Amino acid sequence: EAGVAQSPRYKIIEKRQSVAFWCNPISGHATLYWYQQILGQGPKLLIQFQNNGVVDDSQLPKDRFSAERLKGVDSTLKIQPAKLEDSAVYLCASSRGGGPYGYTFGSGTRLTVV
Amino acid sequence: KQEVTQIPAALSVPEGENLVLNCSFTDSAIYNLQWFRQDPGKGLTSLLLIQSSQREQTSGRLNASLDKSSGRSTLYIAASQPGDSATYLCAAPLANTDKLIFGTGTRLQVFP
Repeated sequence: EAGVAQSPRYKIIEKRQSVAFWCNPISGHATLYWYQQILGQGPKLLIQFQNNGVVDDSQLPKDRFSAERLKGVDSTLKIQPAKLEDSAVYLCASSRGGGPYGYTFGSGTRLTVV
Repeated sequence: KQEVTQIPAALSVPEGENLVLNCSFTDSAIYNLQWFRQDPGKGLTSLLLIQSSQREQTSGRLNASLDKSSGRSTLYIAASQPGDSATYLCAAPLANTDKLIFGTGTRLQVFP
């Protein structure tokens, strides 16, 4: 099966600019996650979708971050305006039915805010 | 609250050695634990998924064990190769959720 697709692979922006990341999960995977991984740390969950509904967005900085999953398939994560501390790798993952089935991660988008 | 700790933080070994990476978690009420590999600048590749009913899982030269009662998991790599050089992350779910809690990883370097 095809993996989780993410784009772009790399992005460099100036602080206060906006940026958007795209994720296409594995076909048939109902659950989709966005994780943020700061250099030297483990990934941390930003938001979890079940189909096109939000299950958990408690760690999403909602004043600047937004995410949507239209039609329960593709998802976009947006940052506006970006701050220096947003520099990280943004990972998308999907799962067939949640935790018991394990997760498949995409290659990630490396964001550098200068 | 689930906390995941990995020891050691970094490891450098000569090719051919057998090695053990350690992962500990505070909430033992987990339904599974997953080990991932991450190459520099890349995403996460799933290595092994151990369900709570299992004690270990094997894939090639990799073997992962799970001891829920002690809150520990180990990843055993046999006959290490330079291609095994990467960061290895373990992740356990937060109780009653699908939210994965990751350790900070073990950075492994295998030199020829």
